[in-house]
Amino acid sequence: AQKVTQAQTEISVVEKEDVTLDCVYETRDTTYYLFWYKQPPSGELVFLIRRNSFDEQNEISGRYSWNFQKSTSSFNFTITASQVVDSAVYFCALSGGVDSSYKLIFGSGTRLLVRP
Amino acid sequence: DGGITQSPKYLFRKEGQNVTLSCEQNLNHDAMYWYRQDPGQGLRLIYYSQIVNDFQKGDIAEGYSVSREKKESFPLTVTSAQKNPTAFYLCASRSSGNTIYFGEGSWLTVV
Repeated sequence: AQKVTQAQTEISVVEKEDVTLDCVYETRDTTYYLFWYKQPPSGELVFLIRRNSFDEQNEISGRYSWNFQKSTSSFNFTITASQVVDSAVYFCALSGGVDSSYKLIFGSGTRLLVRP
Repeated sequence: DGGITQSPKYLFRKEGQNVTLSCEQNLNHDAMYWYRQDPGQGLRLIYYSQIVNDFQKGDIAEGYSVSREKKESFPLTVTSAQKNPTAFYLCASRSSGNTIYFGEGSWLTVV
């Protein structure tokens, strides 16, 4: 069975601090996809990144970076120099390949509060 | 602009009524999905459709129904059989590169 665990329910930091959101996944698929989404208070889910299981390269996009490690089944998300606008709920999600119709399995989310 | 449009944003349902949530996309995506989110929780899959005129149940399909008569449209009906329908509903579609994008969501409240 597939499962995504976000153990951090809520994180509070002061602006300009770095913060890492943890994500651990379980799957038996050899091909899978990992995602991070941001959900601001307005409710919509904003796509941040997708990684394929065969590509373990870490990625950096501005203040955001992602660390994908298959050996530990983790896909952690780091925000550098956090800002108040980063306050939101962040979801990690896992999608299997064609055999599972690419359905997304979500973690329970981590609420990030960035204080001025 | 290309994207996924959900309507209405807010909907109130009386006990025993069926309501339909609209989802339209102009991204030319084949696959579409409906998810439900309860307060403080993650998302759960209700129904999905890989192609026109075909759809499958997700993890919590009871009390819901869908249709997929057009590629662009994937409406969700919340029937009176759904005993606890108050939730946030999100529609999504999948790109050819297997990235899943979401609409802005619809809030449904039973009154």
